[in-house]
Amino acid sequence: GNSVTQMEGPVTLSEEAFLTINCTYTATGYPSLFWYVQYPGEGLQLLLKATKADDKGSNKGFEATYRKETTSFHLEKGSVQVSDSAVYFCALSDLAGANSKLTFGKGITLSVRP
Amino acid sequence: KAGVTQTPRYLIKTRGQQVTLSCSPISGHRSVSWYQQTPGQGLQFLFEYFSETQRNKGNFPGRFSGRQFSNSRSEMNVSTLELGDSALYLCASSWVAGAHTDTQYFGPGTRLTVL
Repeated sequence: GNSVTQMEGPVTLSEEAFLTINCTYTATGYPSLFWYVQYPGEGLQLLLKATKADDKGSNKGFEATYRKETTSFHLEKGSVQVSDSAVYFCALSDLAGANSKLTFGKGITLSVRP
Repeated sequence: KAGVTQTPRYLIKTRGQQVTLSCSPISGHRSVSWYQQTPGQGLQFLFEYFSETQRNKGNFPGRFSGRQFSNSRSEMNVSTLELGDSALYLCASSWVAGAHTDTQYFGPGTRLTVL
């Protein structure tokens, strides 16, 4: 079946450091890929998405590129802020053309210190 | 436009009881999906409803059920609660056009504690 693997955490960075969170996937077909973020005590917020190979999703300084050849969707940000501290989830859509059933990675906690 | 709302935000129940959680999707969204989030198992898909019908189902026992109303609001029910049902239950809604179901937007969740 489909699966998403995220790098082990937690990750602690200093403010303005460069961020990379690795995500690889196993899937049949051509799933859409997503990054969601969860702040303490809240639900998930969509951070960015990509729907086909070589697409780059971007939002709030975060970027991720859909790499079909390496089955990866790594999240990057050039300069993190304390407010970026949260849990980050990589996910894929299980159903072609239907993003209503998502498979998630285990999530990684990011802490940014001033 | 208002986001996905879930009620109640917190619930405490005892083993053997049943519970009903409610979800109101974003206006115009007709697909509603439910997920369970636990520290051990992470985020797991429960089921999805569209046009008052269950369209997809995850790998959960029959104690977990749901329904959707004509206004797209959805409820999920868990009967005969077990300690392991303690979790954050997240609802997500999507816009649907023909065969395409678009990106999911999540609510804040209902935190269920089973004692």
